[in-house]
Amino acid sequence: DSGVTQTPKHLITATGQRVTLRCSPRSGDLSVYWYQQSLDQGLQFLIQYYNGEERAKGNILERFSAQQFPDLHSELNLSSLELGDSALYFCASSGSGPQAFFGQGTRLTVV
Amino acid sequence: AQKVTQAQTEISVVEKEDVTLDCVYETRDTTYYLFWYKQPPSGELVFLIRRNSFDEQNEISGRYSWNFQKSTSSFNFTITASQVVDSAVYFCALSQYGNKLVFGAGTILRVKS
Repeated sequence: DSGVTQTPKHLITATGQRVTLRCSPRSGDLSVYWYQQSLDQGLQFLIQYYNGEERAKGNILERFSAQQFPDLHSELNLSSLELGDSALYFCASSGSGPQAFFGQGTRLTVV
Repeated sequence: AQKVTQAQTEISVVEKEDVTLDCVYETRDTTYYLFWYKQPPSGELVFLIRRNSFDEQNEISGRYSWNFQKSTSSFNFTITASQVVDSAVYFCALSQYGNKLVFGAGTILRVKS
């Protein structure tokens, strides 16, 4: 158990809808990262937050947004969903060391 | 820009064979970290090992060993006496401290009994 909790584990939704993925980092970790894993793109970095502030952005679509709350949990919001957004979304957290710990992922299926 | 290449898309071995997974990386940074992660069929990403750019010592942990060579920008992973439970996708990754991970495309390892 990495200590990073992601909910829900599975999500099935229709095109055009909006969903929110939630991540609770390991206790004390200030950095939260979101990654998307799809068959054609592999594991891609989306965005990083550090202590509530956006720190780095990757190939995140404008339809996607994220935030980190004062209690350090994070949410990834995906809107106007398309079939191609179907993927495994991972959250990871890191603290004082360089290593990131990953949650179990949320498998999103857009139908 | 940082880049990680895992040239082996898929490897199949028979149980008890040794297998080496290759990883080649590119970075202009002098300080960086290299990682190996395992993704079993259940889907989670399991951390296996971390190496920093100043530590070229090879490491052995049970049946796993890692060979880091800065001269060839490689960080290869060997499983000795493979087992069916080793079947998974293995990812090599690169990062700067506190920054995002850049992953390779992954190598699918199939170990047959």
